[in-house]
Amino acid sequence: DTEVTQTPKHLVMGMTNKKSLKCEQHMGHRAMYWYKQKAKKPPELMFVYSYEKLSINESVPSRFSPECPNSSLLNLHLHALQPEDSALYLCASSQEGTGGFYNEQFFGPGTRLTVL
Amino acid sequence: AQSVTQPDIHITVSEGASLELRCNYSYGATPYLFWYVQSPGQGLQLLLKYFSGDTLVQGIKGFEAEFKRSQSSFNLRKPSVHWSDAAEYFCAVGEPENAGNMLTFGGGTRLMVKP
Repeated sequence: DTEVTQTPKHLVMGMTNKKSLKCEQHMGHRAMYWYKQKAKKPPELMFVYSYEKLSINESVPSRFSPECPNSSLLNLHLHALQPEDSALYLCASSQEGTGGFYNEQFFGPGTRLTVL
Repeated sequence: AQSVTQPDIHITVSEGASLELRCNYSYGATPYLFWYVQSPGQGLQLLLKYFSGDTLVQGIKGFEAEFKRSQSSFNLRKPSVHWSDAAEYFCAVGEPENAGNMLTFGGGTRLMVKP
């Protein structure tokens, strides 16, 4: 299985709602990533998890809260979002890299989020 | 810090014509290079990648790319474009020295195909 799955495909939420995005992979990868992509822009890295521990947080506002409950799952909890947070949220996974060797990221199809 | 430049924001070609999308990178060593395609509202699909070896890389959907170290380029080509190739194309560079497998994306090139 070389697939990264994301649910839901689409999500519409109000600014006071709490919702979660889910990402799952069964490739045995130990690194997982969240990206945010605005229209006509490249993906921007938000968070990186390595062995279920948060290793990179790219100065993302606290209204986005990631969670990695096990090696196959990655969640992104959303609370009190703003309309400008509307975007495509992409999840990716890879083998955990060691110095001098790069491991390819595999991307999911994304969740299209609209904040009203 | 490394960077990736895709000089063409938009390109329009006629169906059946050849295509070349440009990508230039700035990186001290030999990078890991990728081309992704994204249809509207969809995720990223990997077209091809270069890690080492033969500098001409074949990918899916009839695409190929050539790594030219002297020009710091990794241009994407297709001999005959199909209407279904209309999409956004991203070039990306991976850092082998970075244990976090970080990817740096170019700004993207939007391809439009005329009938």
